[in-house]
Amino acid sequence: EVQLVESGGGLVQPGRSLKLSCLASGFTFSNYGMNWIRQAPGKGLEWVASISSSSSYIYYADTVKGRFTISRDNAKNTLYLQMTSLRSEDTALYYCARGGLPGYNHWFAYWGQGTLVTVSS
Amino acid sequence: DIVLTQSPALAVSLEQRATISCKTSQNVDNYGISYMHWYQQKPGQQPKLLIYEGSNLASGIPARFSGSGSGTDFTLTIDPVEADDIATYYCQQSKDYPFTFGSGTKLEIK
Repeated sequence: EVQLVESGGGLVQPGRSLKLSCLASGFTFSNYGMNWIRQAPGKGLEWVASISSSSSYIYYADTVKGRFTISRDNAKNTLYLQMTSLRSEDTALYYCARGGLPGYNHWFAYWGQGTLVTVSS
Repeated sequence: DIVLTQSPALAVSLEQRATISCKTSQNVDNYGISYMHWYQQKPGQQPKLLIYEGSNLASGIPARFSGSGSGTDFTLTIDPVEADDIATYYCQQSKDYPFTFGSGTKLEIK
């Protein structure tokens, strides 16, 4: 069974940093592209970042480019999102999601339960 | 960026057909593949993949759900609608980065 478990969320002041983790199990992590998607309270879904299976290709939404860094450790089956210079508009539930097929990261086949990030003074 | 437009809400009677529309600001087809995908999100839950590449049913999803369309106009159909289908439905394109989602259509029962 595919499982994605996010952690690392919490309350943080504006301008500070936070690092999210997503522990994957139930599939060969190193074969799949991975993604972060967020959802502000009461709002819709916003794609944040994607990383290919070997970390060769990385993409970011313009809203986070230069502030967030997606990375992965295939030996630890873990996806990361390092967030810096946090703003109030980054407040959201952050989901980790797996790509649809090995090496083919166009849709989000499995989602974690999310970890809540609140940016407030 | 490719903008996806969905109606905010749709009210349908149980056992009737629901058609949820998603229109894109640019063509999301390429080499015969529609880079359009659909998700269901129930309150308090994470989204769930329903349809990928326009019309392919995701694993474990009932055949009551179907996807159609091409180019800039896509439709998610639920037929017949069941009470458990009450949720918000999102379309998502992967033709180009940044990947984008529609704003969601909330399905309500009449």
